[in-house]
Amino acid sequence: KAGVTQTPRYLIKTRGQQVTLSCSPISGHRSVSWYQQTPGQGLQFLFEYFSETQRNKGNFPGRFSGRQFSNSRSEMNVSTLELGDSALYLCASSLGPQRALSYNEQFFGPGTRLTVL
Amino acid sequence: ELKVEQNPLFLSMQEGKNYTIYCNYSTTSDRLYWYRQDPGKSLESLFVLLSNGAVKQEGRLMASLDTKARLSTLHITAAVHDLSATYFCAVAYYSGAGSYQLTFGKGTKLSVIP
Repeated sequence: KAGVTQTPRYLIKTRGQQVTLSCSPISGHRSVSWYQQTPGQGLQFLFEYFSETQRNKGNFPGRFSGRQFSNSRSEMNVSTLELGDSALYLCASSLGPQRALSYNEQFFGPGTRLTVL
Repeated sequence: ELKVEQNPLFLSMQEGKNYTIYCNYSTTSDRLYWYRQDPGKSLESLFVLLSNGAVKQEGRLMASLDTKARLSTLHITAAVHDLSATYFCAVAYYSGAGSYQLTFGKGTKLSVIP
């Protein structure tokens, strides 16, 4: 079974530009979450999508947005890039809604390393 | 706001020695995850702990969860160089509408020295 895939793996952009990152979840997984990893802040939750709807959002400015398609693939977009947006962006997929009496383990993709110059 | 604290953040240990990484969290949760990350790589799931008193073991690693103390431990037995990596604990926070959000600790960078 193929794992979570993310494209591109590396990106270099300049301040003020925008960027779109893509994530394909594991087949059958319908929930996709995005995380930002930086040396200073560690791993921080960006947002989660399920059935093309954003169900949860972390504490990030509106420049960070995302969407999910009917095939569960997801994209995240960062507009007006800042130097501080340089990070490893990780996508994780899970089966779906996590009810109180069950769990849905998140499986992480390889990440997209974004460098903003 | 859920806070997750890991300690130590850096750990240098000799091969063959034992050590424990601690993960404390601030609010009630009934599920906790341990991940491993190698340099430049993604996160690899190690353990999922779902209930108080849960203990799981895989090779030289053993994880436990005490939900009353809001504490999880990752114990390393007879460390080997291959265990060198950064280890993260993540606590699931129920944010409603069937959605759980993971809050991660800062990670423990483990270096095992021959």
